[in-house]
Amino acid sequence: DQQVKQNSPSLSVQEGRISILNCDYTNSMFDYFLWYKKYPAEGPTFLISISSIKDKNEDGRFTVFLNKSAKHLSLHIVPSQPGDSAVYFCAASGVDSNYQLIWGAGTKLIIKP
Amino acid sequence: DSGVTQTPKHLITATGQRVTLRCSPRSGDLSVYWYQQSLDQGLQFLIHYYNGEERAKGNILERFSAQQFPDLHSELNLSSLELGDSALYFCASSVAISEKPTSGNTIYFGEGSWLTVV
Repeated sequence: DQQVKQNSPSLSVQEGRISILNCDYTNSMFDYFLWYKKYPAEGPTFLISISSIKDKNEDGRFTVFLNKSAKHLSLHIVPSQPGDSAVYFCAASGVDSNYQLIWGAGTKLIIKP
Repeated sequence: DSGVTQTPKHLITATGQRVTLRCSPRSGDLSVYWYQQSLDQGLQFLIHYYNGEERAKGNILERFSAQQFPDLHSELNLSSLELGDSALYFCASSVAISEKPTSGNTIYFGEGSWLTVV
């Protein structure tokens, strides 16, 4: 049973436009969410996180939105740059998982020049 | 640079052999996690150690084992290697200041150890 789902295996976006990556979760006890970016043959890099007491968190070009009622979070990248081409993983944790991270399968983002 | 160090970066070995992957966590981090990523696969959680003790197990094979030493570095031992064990093995660390956490924390990954079994 996948508790964290990234339903789009890949996404292609024009350079300069907005990239929106989506993630859905099923466990209402999750209260901490993270996004990681991963280049091939490298370790995942932490991008941004959000706790359930917020519905938005911004860091430069990256904004994460959390909709608790819909159990949905999204990562917005504005504007998209070629270096943003990577695989993006969302992860979630909560008290009933003892705060072990539960990972989505990843979405491959391709930024077209 | 995440501050998590993994060695070796690349390793080629034959089927049936045994290898040890090493991880030094970020300074001050008590938790160490091991993950496996096979070709075109997502991140598979293997095991989590907190301050020297095993905290959680994921999809770790019985042929694999890990430990965390008093200086907090960790080793992942892979034995009786098979072709299918070829993968990137990542170590990650986090502060995790409490044995029973009450909130989430961020984990930081190393660059990975690329294992090829031939």
